[in-house]
Amino acid sequence: SQQGEEDPQALSIQEGENATMNCSYKTSINNLQWYRQNSGRGLVHLILIRSNEREKHSGRLRVTLDTSKKSSSLLITASRAADTASYFCATVRGSTLGRLYFGRGTQLTVWP
Amino acid sequence: DVKVTQSSRYLVKRTGEKVFLECVQDMDHENMFWYRQDPGLGLRLIYFSYDVKMKEKGDIPEGYSVSREKKERFSLILESASTNQTSMYLCATTPTGRGETQYFGPGTRLLVL
Repeated sequence: SQQGEEDPQALSIQEGENATMNCSYKTSINNLQWYRQNSGRGLVHLILIRSNEREKHSGRLRVTLDTSKKSSSLLITASRAADTASYFCATVRGSTLGRLYFGRGTQLTVWP
Repeated sequence: DVKVTQSSRYLVKRTGEKVFLECVQDMDHENMFWYRQDPGLGLRLIYFSYDVKMKEKGDIPEGYSVSREKKERFSLILESASTNQTSMYLCATTPTGRGETQYFGPGTRLLVL
């Protein structure tokens, strides 16, 4: 019962380029979160956007949310090799005791 | 900083063994979660707990049980390990049940032979 689906599954770019990852989901949400996972490690929270917000920024990250299309995007500007990781979106529904519904992730590779 | 620790980074067990994976957090968070992560499948929720001695099944609870006797500790138990339980296991915590950020441990990579 994954909620989110990331697109693309894999993305390969050069340093300095922008990376855009998309996430679609099926049901109404309270918020949507993006996480990053370096190979073989735990996940690290990047940004949370609430259902009444349309855009949010954090450093080189920009997240948009379109609840009418049930989709979100994560933009990483001026990518660096250190941004190489898997990126996951996760959604929070109504009264679900704080559980997240994760997508399958996008593997981003940034070449020096 | 929130610290979430897991008892082992790597674990090798034999089929049929009882396996305990432990997760400890130091921030007095109410909710704790156990996920497993497999290539191409993303993170799947096994069990979670919203209070001491309280637990809820996730999406794939079969073959697993959990224990939360103290607020800071959440244990995942594989009653009789099987090869299809070879996976990466991730523990996470969140302050309350209102859908805030989850804080993850480093993960335990379990191999069942």
